[in-house]
Amino acid sequence: AQKITQTQPGMFVQEKEAVTLDCTYDTSDQSYGLFWYKQPSSGEMIFLIYQGSYDEQNATEGRYSLNFQKARKSANLVISASQLGDSAMYFCAMREGRGGSNYKLTFGKGTLLTVNP
Amino acid sequence: GAGVSQTPSNKVTEKGKYVELRCDPISGHTALYWYRQSLGQGPEFLIYFQGTGAADDSGLPNDRFFAVRPEGSVSTLKIQRTERGDSAVYLCASSLTPTGETQYFGPGTRLLVL
Repeated sequence: AQKITQTQPGMFVQEKEAVTLDCTYDTSDQSYGLFWYKQPSSGEMIFLIYQGSYDEQNATEGRYSLNFQKARKSANLVISASQLGDSAMYFCAMREGRGGSNYKLTFGKGTLLTVNP
Repeated sequence: GAGVSQTPSNKVTEKGKYVELRCDPISGHTALYWYRQSLGQGPEFLIYFQGTGAADDSGLPNDRFFAVRPEGSVSTLKIQRTERGDSAVYLCASSLTPTGETQYFGPGTRLLVL
């Protein structure tokens, strides 16, 4: 089974509107972390936001927020007030486990977001 | 401060040749990771270093792949007898400590094996 599933290969949004990128995950661990990265056409993976499995509040970083629904095992990224520069691939990733095993990231296949003017 | 840097940014080689890809992590980061990203896919874990030692190389696809980090800073990923299937973007990341820390990625090396 896929550990990280991103069901939207591509998404379109109008500039200044909000958009939600979906991510569901599969783990039997109680302790895990969820990440979102942005990858522009230049190729670099840019860290956006992190949510720990024990965090009670949804994470927010500027225009990015993570809609964490633990029971549904979903960690959707919400981008508010989209900008043209937000056009990129977006990857959801998970780090499972505690202690010494808690370092590998498992990524989804990504969602290509296009922001239209 | 400076981010993770990787050289070369692009590498074109012929099948059967040997290549080395270099990663310079963020200063002070003890943990270093290599991932491989094939076209249309998310990155996949290859190997993780804590300091100078490879703590987990379970993601290396076969024994043609090897990586070192002799002084606990710069790392080199080495691929022997390259095959066309090795063509991908090789991403390096580092974090301050291995656990519970965000991994920061470099720009990657695009490897093309002809």
